[in-house]
Order: sequence, then structure tokens, then C-alpha cells
Amino acid sequence: RKEVEQDPGPFNVPEGATVAFNCTYSNSASQSFFWYRQDCRKEPKLLMSVYSSGNEDGRFTAQLNRASQYISLLIRDSKLSDSATYLCVVRRSYIPTFGRGTSLIVHP
Amino acid sequence: EAGVTQSPTHLIKTRGQQVTLRCSPISGHTSVYWYQQALGLGLQFLLWYDEGEERNRGNFPPRFSGRQFPNYSSELNVNALELEDSALYLCASSPGTGGTGELFFGEGSRLTVL
Repeated sequence: RKEVEQDPGPFNVPEGATVAFNCTYSNSASQSFFWYRQDCRKEPKLLMSVYSSGNEDGRFTAQLNRASQYISLLIRDSKLSDSATYLCVVRRSYIPTFGRGTSLIVHP
Repeated sequence: EAGVTQSPTHLIKTRGQQVTLRCSPISGHTSVYWYQQALGLGLQFLLWYDEGEERNRGNFPPRFSGRQFPNYSSELNVNALELEDSALYLCASSPGTGGTGELFFGEGSRLTVL
């Protein structure tokens, strides 16, 4: 089983839609969690950290469920500019492990 | 403030050759991570350097190696190149083990092996 698993998608949604991505991780000793965004042929950039209490940054909400070992990302009111690959990242013993990413395509 | 810089940005090699990729971290960052991203695949962890020492390596053969210099810049060396080494090689830096865990990536070195 892979350490971090994501549905690769693509998720194809219209502008204004709400879309949610999930990610599961296998190692319960994982210590910190993140969502990164990667545009086509570009470097990944941090979108947000993920905390057990849940956290929100504008249209983006991230949630961590340690008991079930999954992480979620909710995007509200999708914009064309949200089209990208979203990478789930789990960090353990200072090593971040990346999921393969979920592709999001927002169309007019 | 300058971000993470990598060189070269693109390079083409043939099987069996050797390549050296370079990375300069953000000023003040002591940790450097190297990842491989083959086409259509996720980022695979290669190496982690902190304070000049190799701290961890991923599941890659020994022909992948590197080092970190006293100024915290880093090199990744790949010997005896194989076709499947064609990938984007990403370097990332962080403030060290005491930071939040956020990685700051360079734009990568795109290696093509023919």
C-alpha cells in the first residue's frame, strides 16, 4: 500500500462549483500534513497546512481525520485559475511524502 | 528575497553518462530536499541534507548521490544514466528541523536521457 493515496481525477467542474478531494495515508505515526498546488510543468507550492481542528483560507478548507487517516480539501466557488494538480503531503520524521496528486479542471 | 534556484533548467544526456544538478536554497535555510518527478508520476523523495549532512535517502540506487556544502547549497549527482532517469528533478529548501515543515521549491531541472 502506498504511503499517501489520492484519486488522480481529473475532476472536471464548472466555475462556481464546490469540489472536494480526499487523501488517505497509511502510517499512523505521520506528524504533519499539507496541501500543495502544482500547475502544469511548474514547481509545487504550498496551498495550506492541515490541522485536526480544521482550517480555512478564503475559499479553501482543509480537514484532518487522524482516526481514519485521511485528509480533505474543499474548494468553494471554483475559479478558472484553480485548475491545477493538488498534492496531498504527509510528513514523518522530517520527510514529506507526496501523493500523486488530484487533477482539477475548472471550465467556464 | 531570492527563492530556491536550480541549474541547469534543461539538459539532455545519453545513457551511461553522468550528470550534476545544483541547488541554492533560500538564504537562512539549512535543509535541502531532492525529489524526482517522472512524467505522469508523483514526487519521489531522493535525498535530504541538513546542516551539511545527509540525513535520509529514498529508495533509489546508489548511483544517485549528492552533497551539501558549507553555504547549504547542494548538488545531486546521477551516474550511469538510464532512460528511466528522465524526469524533473526538484530541489526544495526549508529552515531546518525546527520549522513548520513547509518546503519551498525551485523550478526544477528537466533531464532527458536518450
